[in-house]
Amino acid sequence: GQQLNQSPQSMFIQEGEDVSMNCTSSSIFNTWLWYKQDPGEGPVLLIALYKAGELTSNGRLTAQFGITRKDSFLNISASIPSDVGIYFCAGQLLPQGGSEKLVFGKGTKLTVNP
Amino acid sequence: SQTIHQWPATLVQPVGSPLSLECTVEGTSNPNLYWYRQAAGRGLQLLFYSVGIGQISSEVPQNLSASRPQDRQFILSSKKLLLSDSGFYLCAGTNLFGNTIYFGEGSWLTVV
Repeated sequence: GQQLNQSPQSMFIQEGEDVSMNCTSSSIFNTWLWYKQDPGEGPVLLIALYKAGELTSNGRLTAQFGITRKDSFLNISASIPSDVGIYFCAGQLLPQGGSEKLVFGKGTKLTVNP
Repeated sequence: SQTIHQWPATLVQPVGSPLSLECTVEGTSNPNLYWYRQAAGRGLQLLFYSVGIGQISSEVPQNLSASRPQDRQFILSSKKLLLSDSGFYLCAGTNLFGNTIYFGEGSWLTVV
């Protein structure tokens, strides 16, 4: 089955630093999604990418859908304490039958020291 | 915009008791719906998905079952809970265009 390799597993940074995390796969995806999860809450969608090469920003967040459709990265600029959480990438295939299942990375746990 | 509600938010149940977690979706129609379980704050395991009323697919053999009695209602159940059923359960559903998935707030289940 499809697998996503998300790295790094965890990051400890100082407030104000930039952050970069990425996901790679041996499979080709039609959609890449990035989520953030705060403790005890459901993941919240940050950025959705639908086309190869697409670069999308959402405030201090920037994500790109790789040209090969097998990878994506998420950058956070000028980190702040509320950026703390677990970030998940997810790739979506549209197999025949129309079930849009997601394949998730294992997450990147971000800690920001004030 | 689409929202997903699930309840209860937290639940403490004895081993052998039944379970019912409910999820409802607003702001879209005919969504695909999903139940995930998350252990130890990392990794999302897909348990069930549904493409329509009464249509349920199970991803992993387990002690749980799912039902979809209405288009925007998805229920996770068990007749007899096991200790290993403890975890954080998340309901998710596709948006109107079917190209993005949104999550509910999550339900903490502790089996004692």
